[in-house]
Amino acid sequence: AQRVTQPEKLLSVFKGAPVELKCNYSYSGSPELFWYVQYSRQRLQLLLRHISRESIKGFTADLNKGETSFHLKKPFAQEEDSAMYYCALTSSGNTPLVFGKGTRLSVIA
Amino acid sequence: GAVVSQHPSWVICKSGTSVKIECRSLDFQATTMFWYRQFPKQSLMLMATSNEGSKATYEQGVEKDKFLINHASLTLSTLTVTSAHPEDSSFYICSAPLTTYNEQFFGPGTRLTVL
Repeated sequence: AQRVTQPEKLLSVFKGAPVELKCNYSYSGSPELFWYVQYSRQRLQLLLRHISRESIKGFTADLNKGETSFHLKKPFAQEEDSAMYYCALTSSGNTPLVFGKGTRLSVIA
Repeated sequence: GAVVSQHPSWVICKSGTSVKIECRSLDFQATTMFWYRQFPKQSLMLMATSNEGSKATYEQGVEKDKFLINHASLTLSTLTVTSAHPEDSSFYICSAPLTTYNEQFFGPGTRLTVL
């Protein structure tokens, strides 16, 4: 069965501190992994995807197939990073996403 | 990026009435759209896949007669919650994939409150 697990509901860090939002997945095959972000009162938007291997707003995420993980990292948190973060997977870009329960990141000044 | 809109953004209705929610892809065509539901402090759960010109595909546990989906054009899918009850109160979100970007674009969501 497809499943995405985000073990932390809430993560609070101080500004300038490193951030790691954990994501583990269960999938039989080769999924596409994504991180979505939802800022206060805004719609869900794509932050990054594993196939592009890019850094967006200082965030990176590496797919570890051995550990079935796709943790989101940023070396220095900023206040504007405070938001809800969802890890998600799909088999392709045109199929529905399976979401984790989300982690609320709070960056404290 | 592409834009997906939803209307209305929020609606309050009495128990037993029906509510229609529209999802539009504003600057691209979408033969497929997805409808998700999000209860407070929970994640998005897929309800159904809307297919242009054919019947929607519903996830297990979602009543197709209660949540009617119509995808009559390449830019519009509608979700009608029939005979709504308080337990249907939720945040309904649609998304549309854009093949060019291999990405899904989400609408802003519709908050439904059934009294």
